[in-house]
Formats: sequence, structure tokens, C-alpha cells
Amino acid sequence: ELKVEQNPLFLSMQEGKNYTIYCNYSTTSDRLYWYRQDPGKSLESLFVLLSNGAVKQEGRLMASLDTKARLSTLHITAAVHDLSATYFCAAPNTGNQFYFGTGTSLTVIP
Amino acid sequence: SQTIHQWPATLVQPVGSPLSLECTVEGTSNPNLYWYRQAAGRGLQLLFYSVGIGQISSEVPQNLSASRPQDRQFILSSKKLLLSDSGFYLCAWRPWGASPLHFGNGTRLTVT
Repeated sequence: ELKVEQNPLFLSMQEGKNYTIYCNYSTTSDRLYWYRQDPGKSLESLFVLLSNGAVKQEGRLMASLDTKARLSTLHITAAVHDLSATYFCAAPNTGNQFYFGTGTSLTVIP
Repeated sequence: SQTIHQWPATLVQPVGSPLSLECTVEGTSNPNLYWYRQAAGRGLQLLFYSVGIGQISSEVPQNLSASRPQDRQFILSSKKLLLSDSGFYLCAWRPWGASPLHFGNGTRLTVT
């Protein structure tokens, strides 16, 4: 089973600040996905990273992938309250079974 | 466009009762289908994965089972629920290629 770890598990940050969420996975995977989950809701796809060095940006969020280090990052720039949610990364194995990280619960404080 | 339907949205069942959760996908054919469970405040655990009718891979041995009687229908079942089966059950689908998973709205199951 592919292991996916995220840190931190909990993140409380002030509006306007920057921070990075880290996602490590245990075996070779050339793709990495980021999702957002609002409380009591389902998951929404944010980013699809398909190759080493891939970088995707949407608003105040930017995701990157380093397949050699088996590491993906989700960088938050100038956080706003609307970004408060739980963020998950997921990596597929060669059989396209997707394994999710433990999630990072982000709270942005005014 | 493709849509995924999952029902019911919430369910309260006594211990020892049976379970049937249904998921259907519209607007696509031969999707990969997935069942995940999320315990309160926790991450997602992959339960079952299917690449086609009658083809089910089980990730975790437990008292749950899955079936895919039609191309776009995925059913999660149990003959006798345990307290530990409580959680948020999510169905997801994806086409072939590098597309992400697309999730249904989920079923919140409470076993009492």
C-alpha cells in the first residue's frame, strides 16, 4: 500500500500570512493530486500535478511536485478566511488506486 | 456533462442491521469507481476499487462488501453493521488517464 503523509495536521494562521503544507509519499508515483474539503462536505479537486517539476497556481494557492524527492507542496500566499478548510493530497499507485494523506486542517484567523 | 449521485445523504442504523449504499455515474462509460470511508476528523481510507462490471478490489478486510452490477453503478453493502462502521462514506469516479477523482456528496452513516 502506498503511504502518504502530510504535515502539519493542523495549521492556524493569520490573514495575510504565507505558509506551506507538505505531502510526502512512500513509493514512486508520477502524479499527485490536491483536494479541498469544507466541514461536512465532500472533496473538491484543486490541482493535478502530472510530472516532475510541475507547478500549478490558482488564486492564492500554488502546488508543486518533486517526484525524485517524492514530495509535493501546497503554498498559501496572503491567506484569507475563505481558505479555511481541510486540504488533502493523494497519490495513485500503478493500478490507479488513490491513497490520501491524513489531511491538513487550515484555519485562517482575521 | 458527467455527474455522480450517491444516496442516501444520511443514515442511522442499529448495530447488526444490513446496509446498502448506492452510487451511480451519468454521462460517461466504463469509469473507474471507488468507495472511501472517512472517520470523524480523519483521512480517507480506500475500501473498494473497480475497473469494470464485476471487477472489485478490496483494500481492507472487514464486514463490508461491494458490487458493480452495471457499468455505472457501484453498491456498498454489509450484512451486519458494527459500531465501528460509522463514518462518512464517499463514492468517487474517474475516467481513464490522469484525471482526478470526482466525488459524490457522501453518506453520513451512524451506527447506534
